[in-house]
Amino acid sequence: EAGVTQFPSHSVIEKGQTVTLRCDPISGHDNLYWYRRVMGKEIKFLLHFVKESKQDESGMPNNRFLAERTGGTYSTLKVQPAELEDSGVYFCASSGSTGPNYGYTFGSGTRLTVV
Amino acid sequence: EDQVTQSPEALRLQEGESSSLNCSYTVSGLRGLFWYRQDPGKGPEFLFTLYSAGEEKEKERLKATLTKKESFLHITAPKPEDSATYLCAVQANSARQLTFGSGTQLTVLP
Repeated sequence: EAGVTQFPSHSVIEKGQTVTLRCDPISGHDNLYWYRRVMGKEIKFLLHFVKESKQDESGMPNNRFLAERTGGTYSTLKVQPAELEDSGVYFCASSGSTGPNYGYTFGSGTRLTVV
Repeated sequence: EDQVTQSPEALRLQEGESSSLNCSYTVSGLRGLFWYRQDPGKGPEFLFTLYSAGEEKEKERLKATLTKKESFLHITAPKPEDSATYLCAVQANSARQLTFGSGTQLTVLP
């Protein structure tokens, strides 16, 4: 079974530019999550998709962040325009069940550096 | 607000020296407590889910336990390949997302 795939693995952009991160979840997983870890802080939730619908976007920091999930498959997270404080590692995770005994599977993350 | 506090922040052990990592939590109704392992440059790797006080789970040299206020990850006779950051996270009954602690960075010296 292929895991959760994220790309790019690294991105360095200038303040004010736009960056788009992509996540391919495990095939068949309806639930897709975005998290991020900024320097020195714990991993924090950004948003949750169920299929193509946004179930919870309470963790999105502001309206410069836009997430989409086309057709309930892959997801993109766009940051426009990027600010210095957006630097960090962005993780995507997927899960296939709402019941017990499941574990989220995380991707390796995208390290975003805004200079 | 749900909170997770992990201690110690860093731990260095000699190979074979057993120890425990602590995860203290406050949550408005616990749906599950998760332990993950994270290697440098990788995403968190799922280890265990615990659901109720008194529950225990084991995997190789790792054993996770849960009380109403905290969880422990016991590492028995660790090996250098156990070196990693161990993350604890909770999921509340009212939510699907996880709230993470800052992690414990474990180094096992040969």
